[in-house]
Amino acid sequence: DGGITQSPKYLFRKEGQNVTLSCEQNLNHDAMYWYRQDPGQGLRLIYYSQIVNDFQKGDIAEGYSVSREKKESFPLTVTSAQKNPTAFYLCASSTRNTIYFGEGSWLTVV
Amino acid sequence: GQSLEQPSEVTAVEGAIVQINCTYQTSGFYGLSWYQQHDGGAPTFLSYNALDGLEETGRFSSFLSRSDSYGYLLLQELQMKDSASYFCAVPTGGFKTIFGAGTRLFVKA
Repeated sequence: DGGITQSPKYLFRKEGQNVTLSCEQNLNHDAMYWYRQDPGQGLRLIYYSQIVNDFQKGDIAEGYSVSREKKESFPLTVTSAQKNPTAFYLCASSTRNTIYFGEGSWLTVV
Repeated sequence: GQSLEQPSEVTAVEGAIVQINCTYQTSGFYGLSWYQQHDGGAPTFLSYNALDGLEETGRFSSFLSRSDSYGYLLLQELQMKDSASYFCAVPTGGFKTIFGAGTRLFVKA
């Protein structure tokens, strides 16, 4: 079945470490996104990409980085510069009017 | 600026009807979407309204009034499994979408 696969589901990061969240889609969508969700809150856009080798900052890009070397893949790196990274991270892709989400990755700083 | 406003919480009883409102302020408007998210899960698409009026999909309906910058999601014959968060969202063009803060729906027996 077509969909979006995120890994890992749960990740623990030590202070000062960079971690990378994987996101793969087989929906053949050009547009891909990373959102951050804090408990009881809405979704905030970190980065988005409309096409391979191109991406734009969203509303809260500081402390994060992405790459888009393949249409299917859009990994997110949470760098040590992100001071409060504990959150639920959602990868998504979209058609013109519909966004399809992965199952999410829980990142906790220990 | 661009923003969407929706109530933070709504409570209703099983079998009842509930309406979740959303008002938006955006520069450029293409339509209003609704997403459902259960605790710990991923948001899933419910509906999209590009034109004024009511769109019905089973127990769920969505309404849009472009002149009022307002829409709502209507859930009928509420079931316990409808307890979730509901987000309104607006595509802003260029494949970017803005989400509201979400409305948490509690369905009571």
